[in-house]
Amino acid sequence: SQTIHQWPATLVQPVGSPLSLECTVEGTSNPNLYWYRQAAGRGLQLLFYSVGIGQISSEVPQNLSASRPQDRQFILSSKKLLLSDSGFYLCAWRRQAGGSNEQYFGPGTRLTVT
Amino acid sequence: GNSVTQMEGPVTLSEEAFLTINCTYTATGYPSLFWYVQYPGEGLQLLLKATKADDKGSNKGFEATYRKETTSFHLEKGSVQVSDSAVYFCALRGGSYIPTFGRGTSLIVHP
Repeated sequence: SQTIHQWPATLVQPVGSPLSLECTVEGTSNPNLYWYRQAAGRGLQLLFYSVGIGQISSEVPQNLSASRPQDRQFILSSKKLLLSDSGFYLCAWRRQAGGSNEQYFGPGTRLTVT
Repeated sequence: GNSVTQMEGPVTLSEEAFLTINCTYTATGYPSLFWYVQYPGEGLQLLLKATKADDKGSNKGFEATYRKETTSFHLEKGSVQVSDSAVYFCALRGGSYIPTFGRGTSLIVHP
């Protein structure tokens, strides 16, 4: 079966510090990968998605970046955090082709920028 | 482009009440439709889905029917429990890599 992991679960970082959040998927290959943020309210904001190694598409301009160094690894980074980067970050994956087309979400990382 | 509109929350109910959360969509073609549930402090979980018109998705007592004529996918449950308290997201996926989510509806069930 497939599983998706995110770490850390919670993080408190000062303004201006760097960030690295990691997401890994097990039990599948060549998935589509996604980073979302939930800030304050409940809505999901799509930040990045990837259809393959080294292929990253950004949905919103910001001081965050994403990388996919391996097929099932997706990393969210920042060189200098802002207060507005606080939120709940969710990673998700979806099969590229075949089968059902729903997304599967990780447990999330709660980031607080102080 | 695609869009999903959900009713504003929070929805507050007593245990064993009937639940309806409205969801309407705009999309070209024949998208797949989904309901996800998010419990406090957790990621989203797929609750149910429907892939073509008139399909009914169901899971854990929840149901939703894909109505193409009214472009709707309303979520219903006959008797809610306190444990159903969560945020519910309606979503669709058309032909692109990117799903479209509604803003979410918070459900609060009191004993």
